[in-house]
Amino acid sequence: EAGVTQSPTHLIKTRGQQATLRCSPISGHTSVYWYQQALGLGLQFLLWYDEGEERNRGNFPPRFSGRQFPNYSSELNVNALELEDSALYLCASSFSGGADEQFFGPGTRLTVL
Amino acid sequence: GIQVEQSPPDLILQEGANSTLRCNFSDSVNNLQWFHQNPWGQLINLFYIPSGTKQNGRLSATTVATERYSLLYISSSQTTDSGVYFCAVDPFSNAGGTSYGKLTFGQGTILTVHP
Repeated sequence: EAGVTQSPTHLIKTRGQQATLRCSPISGHTSVYWYQQALGLGLQFLLWYDEGEERNRGNFPPRFSGRQFPNYSSELNVNALELEDSALYLCASSFSGGADEQFFGPGTRLTVL
Repeated sequence: GIQVEQSPPDLILQEGANSTLRCNFSDSVNNLQWFHQNPWGQLINLFYIPSGTKQNGRLSATTVATERYSLLYISSSQTTDSGVYFCAVDPFSNAGGTSYGKLTFGQGTILTVHP
C-alpha cells in the first residue's frame, strides 16, 4: 500500500512569491492535515481538510490557505512568502477525521530567499 | 491549549542499553501517537496509543490516560534507533468530546546511540 506522497521534495522561492505544495493521501483516507516544522519552533498544526471542507485551522495568517480535491488530494498555498516561512511542510492523512491515527508523508522543504 | 512535555530532551546511550522516554500532557486526549523522525525529516509511526500498552519488537509503549502521561520503552538499543522521538496528542474538544483533528507535538527527545 502506497503511503502519503508529497511534491515537490524541495522548493526554493524568493520573498513575496507564492508557493504551492501538494499532497496525496493514503488510498481510502478522507482526511488530510498540514503541519509546519520550522527550525526552533517544533511541529505546528496548519490545516485539516475532511471530505473537501476545511475543518480546523492553526494559528497561521490567512496567506496560508489550501484546499482538498474530490479525490482527497490536497494543496497548500502560501502567498506573499516571508523568510520565516522557510520550513519543512509535512502532510498527513487519516482514514476519517479527528482522532484517527495520522500517517505522514516525507515532506516538502521550502526555502525562501 | 493543551501542553505536551517530553523528557529527557537529550539521551545518549551505548548500543544494547535500554531507555525510557516520557510524555506528559495537560488535558484529556482522543489520540496519542509516538513518532520517530528520520534524518530526512519523515515522521515514522511507532504507536497509536491513547490508552493501554502496546509492543512492537524492541519497542513498547504505555499510556495512562487518567494520569496524563505516556512512556516509550526502547530495549537493546541500536545505532539505527538514533533520531528524534516525538509524542503528539489530539485533545478532546469542549463540544461533546469530539476531536479538534490536530496533533499537538512535544518538543521531542533527541536520542543518540553509540556503537
